[in-house]
Amino acid sequence: DGGITQSPKYLFRKEGQNVTLSCEQNLNHDAMYWYRQDPGQGLRLIYYSQIVNDFQKGDIAEGYSVSREKKESFPLTVTSAQKNPTAFYLCASSIGTGGPREKAFFGQGTRLTVV
Amino acid sequence: DAKTTQPNSMESNEEEPVHLPCNHSTISGTDYIHWYRQLPSQGPEYVIHGLTSNVNNRMASLAIAEDRKSSTLILHRATLRDAAVYYCILRYLGGSQGNLIFGKGTKLSVKP
Repeated sequence: DGGITQSPKYLFRKEGQNVTLSCEQNLNHDAMYWYRQDPGQGLRLIYYSQIVNDFQKGDIAEGYSVSREKKESFPLTVTSAQKNPTAFYLCASSIGTGGPREKAFFGQGTRLTVV
Repeated sequence: DAKTTQPNSMESNEEEPVHLPCNHSTISGTDYIHWYRQLPSQGPEYVIHGLTSNVNNRMASLAIAEDRKSSTLILHRATLRDAAVYYCILRYLGGSQGNLIFGKGTKLSVKP
């Protein structure tokens, strides 16, 4: 089945450690996105990538890093520089950008807790 | 991207129709209207999108005002599984630099 997979579903890390969240899609989509969601809030864009080997900062990129070496994969690293990393992280993909091409498919999310 | 405004919350009874409004008074001629919904502790799910004409699919209907400054997502018979947060967003045809802006949406409660 085609889809977008995030792993793990729950992640616990100690303060000061970097952690990498996985996002894989087999939809052959060019565009991929990372969002952060805090309780009772909407989604905020961290990074997005419109094509392999290219990515752009979103609204809240500080303390995060990404790579896009393969079309299928867009991992997100939460670094120790991120002040409040505990959140629900969502990965999405779309065929491309612009109007109907941005029909997005989301993963089930990774809930990161930093203690 | 143009902004959208939605009510914070709405209630419905099971098996009754639900009309979820969205205002987008600054919409441009090439902005598509997209709707997503998010069930608790899950990622958002695409529901429907449209440009000018009303649209129907197996999940819902989208009614777009003639001046395109507002739209309404219609769930024809609400079920308990439709309880979710519904987001209305606009997507520019020429590409919006990837910034899918999701606000707080409308939290729909469905009573049995």
